[in-house]
Amino acid sequence: RKEVEQDPGPFNVPEGATVAFNCTYSNSASQSFFWYRQDCRKEPKLLMSVYSSGNEDGRFTAQLNRASQYISLLIRDSKLSDSATYLCVVNRAGRRALTFGSGTRLQVQP
Amino acid sequence: NAGVTQTPKFQVLKTGQSMTLQCAQDMNHNSMYWYRQDPGMGLRLIYYSASEGTTDKGEVPNGYNVSRLNKREFSLRLESAAPSQTSVYFCASRSTRDYGYTFGSGTRLTVV
Repeated sequence: RKEVEQDPGPFNVPEGATVAFNCTYSNSASQSFFWYRQDCRKEPKLLMSVYSSGNEDGRFTAQLNRASQYISLLIRDSKLSDSATYLCVVNRAGRRALTFGSGTRLQVQP
Repeated sequence: NAGVTQTPKFQVLKTGQSMTLQCAQDMNHNSMYWYRQDPGMGLRLIYYSASEGTTDKGEVPNGYNVSRLNKREFSLRLESAAPSQTSVYFCASRSTRDYGYTFGSGTRLTVV
């Protein structure tokens, strides 16, 4: 079983829609969580960290459920520019490197 | 600020050839990483260096070697390239005070 699992998509949504991605992680010792965004043929870039109490950054909301070991990302009022692959990332306690999910592809259509 | 600089951006090798991928960061970060990205596999850690003078194996180290030349530079060497090493390679760095990586723009390597 992969340490971090994501639905690969693609999610095809119209502009203005709300879309949610989930991610599950297998190791309960994971302690830090992130969402990265990767545009086609580009490097991943940090979108936001995920905190235990949940956090919001503009149209983006991240939630963490430690009991069920999943992380979610909600995007409201989708824009064409949101089209990208979204990577779920965890940092396990004692590990010095981040572990990446395979990503969920989002395509926002006009 | 340049951030993390990787060279080359593209490379085609023949099976058995060797090459070194270069990575340099100008953010005074202690930790540096090499990942490869393949379709459907996500990013997989090859090697990392927690600080100058130290290197450790990651998830997929076979066929690779690394050198942490100084705090700024972390190179990845393929001694005898194989078609299975066709991939996109990303270098990344981060400060020990936060967990966010900064990635380089990647190297697209094809081994024929």
